[in-house]
Amino acid sequence: DAGVIQSPRHEVTEMGQEVTLRCKPISGHNSLFWYRQTMMRGLELLIYFNNNVPIDDSGMPEDRFSAKMPNASFSTLKIQPSEPRDSAVYFCASTQRGGFTGELFFGEGSRLTVL
Amino acid sequence: DAKTTQPTSMDCAEGRAANLPCNHSTISGNEYVYWYRQIHSQGPQYIIHGLKNNETNEMASLIITEDRKSSTLILPHATLRDTAVYYCIVRVLDRGSTLGRLYFGRGTQLTVWP
Repeated sequence: DAGVIQSPRHEVTEMGQEVTLRCKPISGHNSLFWYRQTMMRGLELLIYFNNNVPIDDSGMPEDRFSAKMPNASFSTLKIQPSEPRDSAVYFCASTQRGGFTGELFFGEGSRLTVL
Repeated sequence: DAKTTQPTSMDCAEGRAANLPCNHSTISGNEYVYWYRQIHSQGPQYIIHGLKNNETNEMASLIITEDRKSSTLILPHATLRDTAVYYCIVRVLDRGSTLGRLYFGRGTQLTVWP
């Protein structure tokens, strides 16, 4: 099993630019989570999907952030426009039973730096 | 937000048991305790979870007190590769939904020294 695959692994961009982070969950998993990790705030849940439907996006910081899951094998997290305070490591995770078993499988993360 | 309390850091000699405590005094009857760890620059990794009974797997043991207000993760023979941040998490169920989500707190930085 290839595990959860995230891209890009590293992204450096300038303030105001659009950033798109991508995630491919483990095949057969039907729940997907986006987390953000910073030194100041630790690991925060941004949004999660079940069967491609967003269940709770209350963790999304503001309207500049949006997430989509057009099919069971792909999800994107978009930031437009990006700001320096968005610099963080963004993790995607998936699980196979509705998201409530707690056994999340994480990707290696996408490290975003906004200058 | 996370409903757990953990020490900020601990250390342990290689080959000895590492005992990581966690307080979750407000846990409710249907909430599980989960442990994850995060090795530097990697994504978090699931370790073990339990409801009220003690649990053991190939990675660790989980001891939950009878009143369920605290638990201890035990790594029986710590190695240098066990150096990581260990998160104790209580699973929260979303209002109006059977789906749950995990809140990660600050965790405990465990350092295993030679």
